[in-house]
Amino acid sequence: NAGVTQTPKFQVLKTGQSMTLQCAQDMNHNSMYWYRQDPGMGLRLIYYSASEGTTDKGEVPNGYNVSRLNKREFSLRLESAAPSQTSVYFCASTEGPFTAGNTIYFGEGSWLTVV
Amino acid sequence: KQEVTQIPAALSVPEGENLVLNCSFTDSAIYNLQWFRQDPGKGLTSLLLIQSSQREQTSGRLNASLDKSSGRSTLYIAASQPGDSATYLCAVPYSGGYQKVTFGTGTKLQVIP
Repeated sequence: NAGVTQTPKFQVLKTGQSMTLQCAQDMNHNSMYWYRQDPGMGLRLIYYSASEGTTDKGEVPNGYNVSRLNKREFSLRLESAAPSQTSVYFCASTEGPFTAGNTIYFGEGSWLTVV
Repeated sequence: KQEVTQIPAALSVPEGENLVLNCSFTDSAIYNLQWFRQDPGKGLTSLLLIQSSQREQTSGRLNASLDKSSGRSTLYIAASQPGDSATYLCAVPYSGGYQKVTFGTGTKLQVIP
């Protein structure tokens, strides 16, 4: 019953460093998402992948890149970390489009601090 | 762009009380609405999904209603328990984007024993 698994759980980066957040789901879902959650801002979509082989920008894509490695895995890369990227990052997945009534399943989150 | 508002931002109630959480959205042309629960340090867990054609959806002590015309949804929690303490968020589809979702900032609920 793993669901959506994210790694790492916690990470501290120095400004300018790069890192990749990993996400994997075992529910055979087609769509996967990366969100960031900031106090007072709610959850904001960074990138999403409607299906294997496709990726699209969300609301706040600047400074990030993604890779849909296969149907199970969707990674988020910070090429040159900035303090403004300090946040909690959530990976999520759905069987299909949210508008079709598909429940969103979230990972446990990755706490990232950029100093 | 769909705007979602949840008021109040925080709520503290004694155990056993019935309570209502509110979610307002600006674009009433929605397909559905979901309510989530988030425990501290955890991800979001889906509680209820209401299709646009539905007025209510129930799960145990939880009942969610949807009024598209007024742009509102309410989450009713009956006989609240300390274990209900969490942040509750609602989510609706992003205007014009079938894959995107707009989340409210949530209501942080504390149920006092």
